[in-house]
Amino acid sequence: NAGVTQTPKFRILKIGQSMTLQCTQDMNHNYMYWYRQDPGMGLKLIYYSVGAGITDKGEVPNGYNVSRSTTEDFPLRLELAAPSQTSVYFCASRRGTLNTEAFFGQGTRLTVV
Amino acid sequence: AQSVTQPDIHITVSEGASLELRCNYSYGATPYLFWYVQSPGQGLQLLLKYFSGDTLVQGIKGFEAEFKRSQSSFNLRKPSVHWSDAAEYFCAVGADAGNNRKLIWGLGTSLAVNP
Repeated sequence: NAGVTQTPKFRILKIGQSMTLQCTQDMNHNYMYWYRQDPGMGLKLIYYSVGAGITDKGEVPNGYNVSRSTTEDFPLRLELAAPSQTSVYFCASRRGTLNTEAFFGQGTRLTVV
Repeated sequence: AQSVTQPDIHITVSEGASLELRCNYSYGATPYLFWYVQSPGQGLQLLLKYFSGDTLVQGIKGFEAEFKRSQSSFNLRKPSVHWSDAAEYFCAVGADAGNNRKLIWGLGTSLAVNP
């Protein structure tokens, strides 16, 4: 059982480049989330999805886009990378009831130079 | 407003000492509470959760937490800390917000363990 898989683990981008962070889960969870984690700032929600075809903005969506064409996949797109997007990104999934926990991927460490 | 507060940003304990990490929440309804641990360079792993029943819950790695409604707290404890417990610890509450059954996160407590 793979759980939540994120790729890549590490990436260096130049300012203005674009990239897609991949996230897939094999637990048939409805809810999926993208967070960024910066030192001392905890987890900030970028986007979330409550099911295939449904996405919505979190706290810090600017500069990012997402799609959810299948239950399993929830890619995060950076169109014009900026140094402020240097961070560690985590994808998570959850069944969606209040008492269920989120399962996290291992994270993607992104540096924009 | 719904919120989770972890008052201690950083805690250092000696190996073998007891540990208590504080978590306070603000939520109007019955909270669903979680503690997660994040080891360096890793994702978050669930330690334990509470949603009903016995207010003292047991988790993995010898951790426990006690839900105190009167104090709006869900503090994490461990009787004897091991060097491998050095990590970041996050408290979270599950909350309803329209169609988003979201998790509200504290900012985390970084635990260092002295040998």
